[in-house]
Amino acid sequence: DAGVTQSPTHLIKTRGQQVTLRCSPKSGHDTVSWYQQALGQGPQFIFQYYEEEERQRGNFPDRFSGHQFPNYSSELNVNALLLGDSALYLCASSLPGLTYNEQFFGPGTRLTVL
Amino acid sequence: QKEVEQDPGPLSVPEGAIVSLNCTYSNSAFQYFMWYRQYSRKGPELLMYTYSSGNKEDGRFTAQVDKSSKYISLFIRDSQPSDSATYLCAMSFNSGNTPLVFGKGTRLSVIA
Repeated sequence: DAGVTQSPTHLIKTRGQQVTLRCSPKSGHDTVSWYQQALGQGPQFIFQYYEEEERQRGNFPDRFSGHQFPNYSSELNVNALLLGDSALYLCASSLPGLTYNEQFFGPGTRLTVL
Repeated sequence: QKEVEQDPGPLSVPEGAIVSLNCTYSNSAFQYFMWYRQYSRKGPELLMYTYSSGNKEDGRFTAQVDKSSKYISLFIRDSQPSDSATYLCAMSFNSGNTPLVFGKGTRLSVIA
């Protein structure tokens, strides 16, 4: 089982550019959540996708958008990059349902904005 | 005041020591409490989760939740150099796929 995979591993962009990050969930998982982890901080929830729709959203501006595909993989897009967007972007996948479901994290994509 | 407070450390202990890691939180609506371990350049991996108050033990790890004090702890017995990592507490309001709210993480080094 391949677990959660993310691409690319590292990315360097300049202010004002746009970036797309990709995530493939763990086999059998259909819910994908994205988190931003700034240096020295804990991850912060950006949004969650289920059935190709954004179901929940954290306190992030509209510059952050996403998409989920029929195969459950997901993309995170960030427009008009700011220096403060430099962080590790983590994708987590889980099963749906009302009981506790562990969120499995990928290794992350490290984004540097210059 | 942040919802979840966690001392970032760093914490350095000798091999074999008992390690105590703690978090406090402000929102009494949190019901699920988790501890994640994150090695350098890796994503977080779940160590323990607890529902509501109480203790849970798994091998060398013990998680405690005191909802009356809004305080959670992770104890590591017989610590090993391989335990050196950042430990993140996390909590959520409901079951299912509600978002996790994380602490800053505590960086732990276990010295051989």
